[in-house]
This record gives sequence, C-alpha cells and structure tokens, in this order.
Amino acid sequence: KAGVTQTPRYLIKTRGQQVTLSCSPISGHRSVSWYQQTPGQGLQFLFEYFSETQRNKGNFPGRFSGRQFSNSRSEMNVSTLELGDSALYLCASSTGAGGMETQYFGPGTRLLVL
Amino acid sequence: QKEVEQNSGPLSVPEGAIASLNCTYSDRGSQSFFWYRQYSGKSPELIMFIYSNGDKEDGRFTAQLNKASQYVSLLIRDSQPSDSATYLCAVNSGAGSYQLTFGKGTKLSVIP
Repeated sequence: KAGVTQTPRYLIKTRGQQVTLSCSPISGHRSVSWYQQTPGQGLQFLFEYFSETQRNKGNFPGRFSGRQFSNSRSEMNVSTLELGDSALYLCASSTGAGGMETQYFGPGTRLLVL
Repeated sequence: QKEVEQNSGPLSVPEGAIASLNCTYSDRGSQSFFWYRQYSGKSPELIMFIYSNGDKEDGRFTAQLNKASQYVSLLIRDSQPSDSATYLCAVNSGAGSYQLTFGKGTKLSVIP
C-alpha cells in the first residue's frame, strides 16, 4: 500500500507571497493532520480534517488554512508569508475511525521564505 | 497547556548497549502514546505505540508507560549505529482526538 505523499517536496518563496501544499493520505485513510516542524519549536499541530471538515485546530494564526476534498486529499495554504514560516510541513494520515489512532507521516514539504 | 518533555541529549551509547529514552507529559487525561524516530532531513517514522500501563515489546524496542507518574520510556536493546536518530515522544489527549503533542526529541548517537 502506498504511503502518504506530499507535493511539492521543496519550495522557496518570498515574504508576502502565499503558498499551497498538497497531501494525499494512505489509501482508505480519511483523516489528514498537518504539522509544522521548526528547530526551535519542534513539531506543532496545525489542524486535522476528516470527511472534508476541520475537526481540530492548533494555535496558529488565520494565515494558515486548509481544506480536504472528497477523495481525502488535503491542501494547506499559508497566506502573506513571513520569514518565520520557514519550516518542514508534515502531513499525517490515519483511518479517522476513532479510538486510539496511529498517524503515519508523509515525507514533508520543506518551505523556505526569503 | 499540554506539554511533553524530553531530554534533548545527545545521548551517546556504545554499540550493543541498551539506550533508554524518557518522556513526561502534563495532561493526566492522555490516553495514547507514541514513539517516532526521525533521521536527519527525513520525516518521523512510527516505532511503537502504547495505551496501557506496563511494558510493550516489539523486537529490540520496549515501550514502558506509567500513567500515575505521567511517564513514558523507550528502551532500545542491542543498539546499532543505524539507530542513531532523534526520537520523538508524542501524546494523544483522548479517544477521537487526532492532535498529537510532541516533545522536542532526544538525539541518540550509537557509537560503533
């Protein structure tokens, strides 16, 4: 079974621009979570989608948004990029069936904001 | 604020030794606990999960959970140089929650 895929793998943007990242979960998984990883803050939860609905949201500004499509693929968008948004963005998928879920991570998108 | 604490390391152990990695968490209602391994420049890879108090073994890895002490550990037996990586402890606050709170990781170095 194919794993979680993320595109693009690398991105360079300038301050003020916006960016869209994509994530395709493991086949059959309906929950997609997004995380930001930086050397200073570590891995931090952004939000989680299930059946096209945001179920959980972390403590990030409104510039960070996401959505999920009917095929469970998800996108996250960051508007008005800041230098501090430079990070590894990871998505993780799980079945979404409830209970004690295990999340599997994709390879990540490394974003550099200049 | 839910917190997960880990010693940042680096933790250095000789090849063949037991590596012991520790993690404490603040949310007493936490129900599931995960250990991920992350090689430099790569994404986290799930090693083990544990839900109940006690030990859970999988090959060379043993996870230990003590909910009363809010403490999770990972033991790696017969450590190999390929185990050199950062180990992340993650905690899920409750059934149906998909928000993992991560520690900042412990960097393990296995010396040949």
